[in-house]
Amino acid sequence: SQTIHQWPATLVQPVGSPLSLECTVEGTSNPNLYWYRQAAGRGLQLLFYSVGIGQISSEVPQNLSASRPQDRQFILSSKKLLLSDSGFYLCAWSGQGNNEQFFGPGTRLTVL
Amino acid sequence: KQEVTQIPAALSVPEGENLVLNCSFTDSAIYNLQWFRQDPGKGLTSLLLIQSSQREQTSGRLNASLDKSSGRSTLYIAASQPGDSATYLCAVLPASGYSTLTFGKGTMLLVSP
Repeated sequence: SQTIHQWPATLVQPVGSPLSLECTVEGTSNPNLYWYRQAAGRGLQLLFYSVGIGQISSEVPQNLSASRPQDRQFILSSKKLLLSDSGFYLCAWSGQGNNEQFFGPGTRLTVL
Repeated sequence: KQEVTQIPAALSVPEGENLVLNCSFTDSAIYNLQWFRQDPGKGLTSLLLIQSSQREQTSGRLNASLDKSSGRSTLYIAASQPGDSATYLCAVLPASGYSTLTFGKGTMLLVSP
């Protein structure tokens, strides 16, 4: 069966520090991968999605970036965090069939 | 631009009640609609996926319907239990273009014993 992992589970970082969040998927190949952010009182916002290695599409311009160095690995990064980057970051994957999306456990990021 | 609205924003019911959560979307050109459940501080759990050609899907005490022409979906929960307490989100996938979901803001459900 397929599983999706995210780490770390929680993270507290100072403003201006770098960020690296990792997401990995097991039990499937060539998945579509997604990064979402969920801020308090707001809906889920799609940040990036990827249909293959090295292929990244950005939905919202900001100081975050994403990379996909391996088929089942998706990384969210920032060189300098802002207070507004605080939130709950969720990674998701979908197959090539019916496009049902499955979510990871999330990373709670607090920028102080 | 697709917009998804969920009503009510919050709902509190006693255990055992049957209840309906509503989801509406502005663009009927969808590929599918997905219902999720989110517990506090957790990720999303997929509950039901309805393809655009389908009218409903059932899983246990859950039944989701889709009326694409009117831009509506409902999630019916039978014989609610305290363990059903969570936020329920619906999301639609466009029929063309990117494979990216548009989410509603959710309905927060509290089932009291």
